[in-house]
Amino acid sequence: DVVMTQTPLSSPVTLGQPASISCRSSQSLVHRDGNTYLSWLHQRPGQPPRLLIYKAFNRFSGVPDRFSGSGAGTDFTLRISRVEAEDVGVYYCMQTTQSKTFGQGTKLEIK
Amino acid sequence: EVQLVESGGGLVQPGGSLRLSCAASGFSFSSYWMTWVRQAPGKGLEWVANIKYDGSDESYMDSVKGRFTISRVNAKNSLFLQMNSLRAEDTAVYYCAREDLKSFDMWGQGTTVTVSS
Repeated sequence: DVVMTQTPLSSPVTLGQPASISCRSSQSLVHRDGNTYLSWLHQRPGQPPRLLIYKAFNRFSGVPDRFSGSGAGTDFTLRISRVEAEDVGVYYCMQTTQSKTFGQGTKLEIK
Repeated sequence: EVQLVESGGGLVQPGGSLRLSCAASGFSFSSYWMTWVRQAPGKGLEWVANIKYDGSDESYMDSVKGRFTISRVNAKNSLFLQMNSLRAEDTAVYYCAREDLKSFDMWGQGTTVTVSS
């Protein structure tokens, strides 16, 4: 199984400041078709998750451009350029290259 | 509006069974793979099972193989998860989600399953 490891597990940030979350996979996420199937999802308290980024760096419809994804192979990053109050919650990376596995989640909270 | 609405959760004793349903609307249900994801209380997300758009292929996480069965009725825009031989560790909120873009682009609100005596 592909193991996804996120760091940090908790991230206190100041409103208006940037934030970043890292995700490392135990195997390369490059699929035999050449694509990298790494997604980022956001879950607010009491809500279902919602998709932010797919295929490592593609922003999903309606997602603000302050969110960006980068990385390749086994190392990936989600960046928020300027954190807003609505960004609090837990962020998950997820790979769908080989079956489907999630990272353990990173809790973003406001200082 | 794309919508997924789960139902069927509840309290069940260990060893019991439960059937979850997910009603889809607002999109061409028969064109999409569908998936179930669960979240134990206070824990992270865990993929459970998925099924091909025409029902001809399905996959499961190891710990539910032989106990859970995913199915769908495209004519009724419905997805199901039959859960047998339930264990305490199956206690979770179960979400149905649509697969697109090689990700899960739409999610329901979830239904809660509690396995306890």
